[in-house]
Amino acid sequence: NAGVMQNPRHLVRRRGQEARLRCSPMKGHSHVYWYRQLPEEGLKFMVYLQKENIIDESGMPKERFSAEFPKEGPSILRIQQVVRGDSAAYFCASSPRLEFGEQFFGPGTRLTVL
Amino acid sequence: ILNVEQSPQSLHVQEGDSTNFTCSFPSSNFYALHWYRWETAKSPEALFVMTLNGDEKKKGRISATLNTKEGYSYLYIKGSQPEDSATYLCAFLNDYKLSFGAGTTVTVRA
Repeated sequence: NAGVMQNPRHLVRRRGQEARLRCSPMKGHSHVYWYRQLPEEGLKFMVYLQKENIIDESGMPKERFSAEFPKEGPSILRIQQVVRGDSAAYFCASSPRLEFGEQFFGPGTRLTVL
Repeated sequence: ILNVEQSPQSLHVQEGDSTNFTCSFPSSNFYALHWYRWETAKSPEALFVMTLNGDEKKKGRISATLNTKEGYSYLYIKGSQPEDSATYLCAFLNDYKLSFGAGTTVTVRA
């Protein structure tokens, strides 16, 4: 059973461009979470999705950020019109069930905005 | 925002020595506490999910205890080895969201 996959591992964008980060959860996992690690900071919750539904996006900036987890295919975190402050490592985690919430993390995507 | 604190921020241990460090979290509305091990350039790896006051869990030379009434958990490493060098994160589960501490970075010197 392959682990959580994220791609790309590294992404470089210029200010104003769009960034798309993909996350394929572990097989059989229907819960997906996105976390962000800003430089010199810890992991911070952004958004929680189940298939086709956003359950909680309270940690995600209201502007420019969006997330989806379609019925088929990976979860996508999309950042429009990136700014330098978006430079961070973005981690995806998945879990098979909600109880106690054990989450399995992907290797992360490191976004650099020039 | 839930306040999850870990101390110390970092520590250096001689190979073969044992060590421990703490995680403190809100003692109200407790549901679960997670411990993760995070090596550089790898994914955070789940160590323990702790749910009951007085829980003690063990995986090899690493063990953890939980006190939900006073809001703290200890992680212990017995007989540290160089491969134990990593950042150890605790995370408080509130609803379905994990609130992470900043981590304790352990460096084991050979």
